Amino acid sequence: QSALTQPPSASGSPGQSVTISCTGTSSDIGAYNYVSWYQQHPGKAPKLIIYEVSKRPSGVPDRFSGSKSGNTASLTVSGLQAEDEADYYCNSYAGNHKVLFGGGTKLTVL
Amino acid sequence: QVQMVESGGGVVQTGGSLRLSCAASGFIFSNYGIHWVRQAPGKGLEWVAFVRNDGNLEQYADSVKGRFTISRDNFRNTLYLQMTSLRADDMALYYCAKEEFRGYGTFGSWGQGTLVTVSS
Repeated sequence: QSALTQPPSASGSPGQSVTISCTGTSSDIGAYNYVSWYQQHPGKAPKLIIYEVSKRPSGVPDRFSGSKSGNTASLTVSGLQAEDEADYYCNSYAGNHKVLFGGGTKLTVL
Repeated sequence: QVQMVESGGGVVQTGGSLRLSCAASGFIFSNYGIHWVRQAPGKGLEWVAFVRNDGNLEQYADSVKGRFTISRDNFRNTLYLQMTSLRADDMALYYCAKEEFRGYGTFGSWGQGTLVTVSS
């Protein structure tokens, strides 16, 4: 199974919104509503920010939102802040207890 | 609070073996599926393996199947990854990650990772 496809980079100015896509297939993203998004700052472990496509864990600002259409999931960060600059990864359940990650997107706040 | 602490990383020669451990605390270990996820230097995250809460079901990425074995000791609250026939592309920071919410790849808690270096 191949990794999910994410754009390598994204950027936006403070206060703007940015959307990061994550494209899979009908066997992973398209088949299950188990898409998660993770934020990773340099030298740190990943942090869960969205699960089950669009749910936010406690403590994650509502500036982060997720959605899915067909085989593509999306993460939107609204009202960009300097601390949002990080790497973002999607993952999806792929059946039979397997998981796929996206290649990651480096978000730059201009 | 939930804590997961990996150990056992180090330098190993190509073709060698290594066993990683992940000591968990702050939750009922035997209730949760746990995964290993790795990250090569400067690269993205790659899912490696999964073990069900009772230890009776395992699953592996194709890249490690037949070479790595995941296991757990629910009495010691510890997860393991036995790695054999190590290759250069196995060099990475290895994280253990706990499933949360409904599971299915939702990794709510992560350790800080243990670094595996494979040298020729």
